[in-house]
Amino acid sequence: QVQLQESGPGLVKPSQTLSLTCTVSGGSIRSGSYHWSWIRQPAGKGLEWIGRIYSSGSTKYNPSLKSRVTISVDTSKNQFSLKLSSVTAADTAVYYCAREGYVANWFDPWGQGTLVTVSS
Amino acid sequence: DIQMTQSPSSLSASVGDRVTITCQASQDISNYLNWYHQKPGKAPKLLIYDASNLQTGVPSRFSGGGSGTHFTFTISSLQPEDIATYYCQHYDNLPYTFGQGTKLEIK
Repeated sequence: QVQLQESGPGLVKPSQTLSLTCTVSGGSIRSGSYHWSWIRQPAGKGLEWIGRIYSSGSTKYNPSLKSRVTISVDTSKNQFSLKLSSVTAADTAVYYCAREGYVANWFDPWGQGTLVTVSS
Repeated sequence: DIQMTQSPSSLSASVGDRVTITCQASQDISNYLNWYHQKPGKAPKLLIYDASNLQTGVPSRFSGGGSGTHFTFTISSLQPEDIATYYCQHYDNLPYTFGQGTKLEIK
């Protein structure tokens, strides 16, 4: 059973770069059957898709964040990562990683989520 | 971006009630729609994919329907453990977007 776990700093200063890692267990990130995604949720608000990466390294990003987002993969560690630059208070949110089927385009499973607060 | 509009935003119902949530897409998305619920402090969980297919292990009291721009999600007999916020999500094209959520409470 595949499980995902987010990790990274819970506090980031304004204008700095938010960095998170998602560790995949119970399955290989090299599998050609899946994309690996990041989704975020500000407190009390809805869900926003940030972007995804395929095991080959191919990425797609939400245009609303594209200029600030980088998603990368480390297949040797079975991890993928998110970097969001020039953060502001509006980037404060719970960040989730999730698996998306390559042809089965739904998110399952999800990580438990990690709260990142942007504050000086 | 395709806009997903859910209604109602919140709903209060009694145990055993039939509950229906609707999701309207701003353009035709065929059946490229998924439903999740999210319990407080937890990650969303997939319930329905491709508009009407029940995810493995999800109780059969949950069901989905619709195509094109209008979709429904139904709980046939509300249980106390169904208290959550429910989201629809399209995957017709990128960026994927979610509905704003429907918060379901017990009367």
